[in-house]
Amino acid sequence: DAGVIQSPRHEVTEMGQEVTLRCKPISGHNSLFWYRQTMMRGLELLIYFNNNVPIDDSGMPEDRFSAKMPNASFSTLKIQPSEPRDSAVYFCASSTHGGNQDNEQFFGPGTRLTVL
Amino acid sequence: GENVEQHPSTLSVQEGDSAVIKCTYSDSASNYFPWYKQELGKRPQLIIDIRSNVGEKKDQRIAVTLNKTAKHFSLHITETQPEDSAVYFCAANSPGLTGGGNKLTFGTGTQLKVEL
Repeated sequence: DAGVIQSPRHEVTEMGQEVTLRCKPISGHNSLFWYRQTMMRGLELLIYFNNNVPIDDSGMPEDRFSAKMPNASFSTLKIQPSEPRDSAVYFCASSTHGGNQDNEQFFGPGTRLTVL
Repeated sequence: GENVEQHPSTLSVQEGDSAVIKCTYSDSASNYFPWYKQELGKRPQLIIDIRSNVGEKKDQRIAVTLNKTAKHFSLHITETQPEDSAVYFCAANSPGLTGGGNKLTFGTGTQLKVEL
């Protein structure tokens, strides 16, 4: 298995531009998570999906951020318009979840976003 | 919601010594407590986890203990080696969330440095 796949790995953009980050979870996993990591705020959960349905988006900073999961094998995180304070490493993770048991979250390699 | 506190934020030990990292959590319903290791520039990776039905779990040089009454859990690394140098994150789940949530709340991380 290739693991969680994220693209792009690095993104440099100018303030005001739209940014789209992509994630392909591990096949068979039914939960997908988007995290943001910065030195100041650590590892923050932005949003997560169970069976393609958004469950909790309370971590999404503001309306400039949106996420979709149109099918079980693909998700996007979009920032429009981007701002310098959005610069961070964005991780996607996936796991299996069923019944009353939580399982290991597998992280992708991350996308390092720099907004100038 | 769940709140996870982690201490210390930095830890420096001599090679061969033991290292202990402690976390507390707030949600009494939490029943899954993973620990992740993140090397510089890499993704977080699970190193060990524990569920609430056991008080201790060991895997070679690493062990985790859980005290549900006090709501705290700890990571113990024995015979530390330079390759143990990394940032370690604890986490706790939130099983009581509506929608079958398997959300993890992460601690702020501990930078472990193993010196020769």
